[in-house]
Amino acid sequence: SQKIEQNSEALNIQEGKTATLTCNYTNYSPAYLQWYRQDPGRGPVFLLLIRENEKEKRKERLKVTFDTTLKQSLFHITASQPADSATYLCARQMDSSYKLIFGSGTRLLVRP
Amino acid sequence: GAVVSQHPSWVICKSGTSVKIECRSLDFQATTMFWYRQFPKQSLMLMATSNEGSKATYEQGVEKDKFLINHASLTLSTLTVTSAHPEDSSFYICSARASWSGKRNYNEQFFGPGTRLTVL
Repeated sequence: SQKIEQNSEALNIQEGKTATLTCNYTNYSPAYLQWYRQDPGRGPVFLLLIRENEKEKRKERLKVTFDTTLKQSLFHITASQPADSATYLCARQMDSSYKLIFGSGTRLLVRP
Repeated sequence: GAVVSQHPSWVICKSGTSVKIECRSLDFQATTMFWYRQFPKQSLMLMATSNEGSKATYEQGVEKDKFLINHASLTLSTLTVTSAHPEDSSFYICSARASWSGKRNYNEQFFGPGTRLTVL
């Protein structure tokens, strides 16, 4: 099966620091990896997408990297703020299907 | 733009009854809609893929006779949980893929706010 794993269930950091979340996948390299934010009791909100032939993608304070050798994507939030506290989900999409397979999520807490 | 709504936002029902959840794309047409289920502190699990005007495709382990999906128009899909039992209590989330995604290979999905189902 094509698994996707987010090893850290929770991450607790101080405001202003950079948060780094990890997403690992097994077997086939996904064509695309997507990162979402989910607040309690709400649906996910799309943040960033990175293609398998891209090494890095940025959007404001967010940065995503994709390492097909390590089978890993890293998601960074720089200058973190308490408002960034949420659960962050990565999702893989294979080229042949529009289906998304989600990781279990990492709950980020940014302390003021 | 690209707003997806769900109704109701929460529902409590008795065991054995059926519950219908609506998913609407408010400002765009959705050729494909997806239904997910999320248990507490777990991730989203895809239940089925719904294309307008055709039968839904269910993921392995999801009972199609229990979770009836209808995608009657380009802006509306419904999920009916038939003969609901306490183990069906969960957070149900839909998402929609915009028709203007066209030939793009990547899956640009917009998620609804979710429906909390509690079966007593």
